[in-house]
Formats: sequence, C-alpha cells, structure tokens
Amino acid sequence: GESVGLHLPTLSVQEGDNSIINCAYSNSASDYFIWYKQESGKGPQFIIDIRSNMDKRQGQRVTVLLNKTVKHLSLQIAATQPGDSAVYFCAENTDNQGGKLIFGQGTELSVKP
Amino acid sequence: DGGITQSPKYLFRKEGQNVTLSCEQNLNHDAMYWYRQDPGQGLRLIYYSQIVNDFQKGDIAEGYSVSREKKESFPLTVTSAQKNPTAFYLCAAAALAGEKLFFGSGTQLSVL
Repeated sequence: GESVGLHLPTLSVQEGDNSIINCAYSNSASDYFIWYKQESGKGPQFIIDIRSNMDKRQGQRVTVLLNKTVKHLSLQIAATQPGDSAVYFCAENTDNQGGKLIFGQGTELSVKP
Repeated sequence: DGGITQSPKYLFRKEGQNVTLSCEQNLNHDAMYWYRQDPGQGLRLIYYSQIVNDFQKGDIAEGYSVSREKKESFPLTVTSAQKNPTAFYLCAAAALAGEKLFFGSGTQLSVL
C-alpha cells in the first residue's frame, strides 16, 4: 500500500550560511548521480551531476561530493539564499536498470532570513 | 521548463472515468518518462519510453497506460482501475535513457 503523511527530512539554515544536504544511495554499481531542486508546485530542476569516476564536482555556488566507499552523496550550497528554499532530491543510475533513475526521498531546505 | 510542456496544469477526474495527461517535448530527446509524486514523498516511476513505439512499465504501472507514437509526445492515461489517482504527475525527457532528466511543470490530478 501507499504511505501517506510522511514528513521529509528538513534542514534549516540561516541566510548566508553554507548548507550540506546528504543522500545515501542504494546500489554500489550506480555510476551516475544527479541532484535536483524542486520548488512547491513545480517540476524538479537539474542542479548538478557527477559520474562515479569523480569524487567532487563544482558548479556555481554548489559542490557535489561522492564517497563510493560508504555510498554517500552530498550537495553543498555556499552562501545559502532564501531562493534556495526547496526540496532537494538525489538520483542514481545504474547501467543494469535499463535507463531508470532511482530517486531518493528528498530533503526540505528552509532558509531563514 | 526545459522544453517539456505538460497540460493541463490541474485536472479533475470523476469516479470511473479515464483521463489523459499530455506531455510534449521539443528537445528532440529519445527517452521520456512519467513519474507520480505524492505529498511529502519522492518520485515513483510509472512508465518510460527509450524510443518511439516502445515503452516499459516502471514501478507503479498498474492502472495507467501510455503510448509513444511520436518522438515528441508521451501521453499518460489514468484509467478507472487506478483507485487512488490523486497525485502530482511529472513528465520528463532525457537525450538518452539513464541520462539527466528535464522535467515539465507537472499536472495535479484530483478526484471529484
């Protein structure tokens, strides 16, 4: 059956602080990872991706870190702004999944002014 | 939203009725996907298509049907067999299956 009324993990930060959002992925064979940002009532937006041959990748104000040993992915947002408030999802892809991305539950980031 | 157009934005279904959600893309991407999102939850895959005239079931395909007659279009029908259809439905496309997805703005489906 479906689960209802689940509460997303929430991260609350002060404007200007750095944010770190974590994700534990499930498949040690996953070779491609993506972070998405979803604002209320909208579709997810691509933020940054990383392949398994890398440990770190940087974008504008964002950094993704990949630790394959413990199957952990993190998204770091520098100088967090109110516009960063959203739900953040990680997604993983494994070659043997036939082209399906597997999404995590999501983390809600709340930025206090 | 990255060349993915979903319509309508809001849709209401009566008991026993089939409804169809539209998804069109102008990105020339081969792969297209439908996800369902319930409040406070992640995305669950309904159906996906890696190429025209081909599609596969995702994790929650029961009560849904799709077609992929054209590369740019991937409509989703929510049939009367889907007993709990109220959710936010997201369509996405990728250049190739397994690559990063570009999402549409979603359709909120509710039951009258």
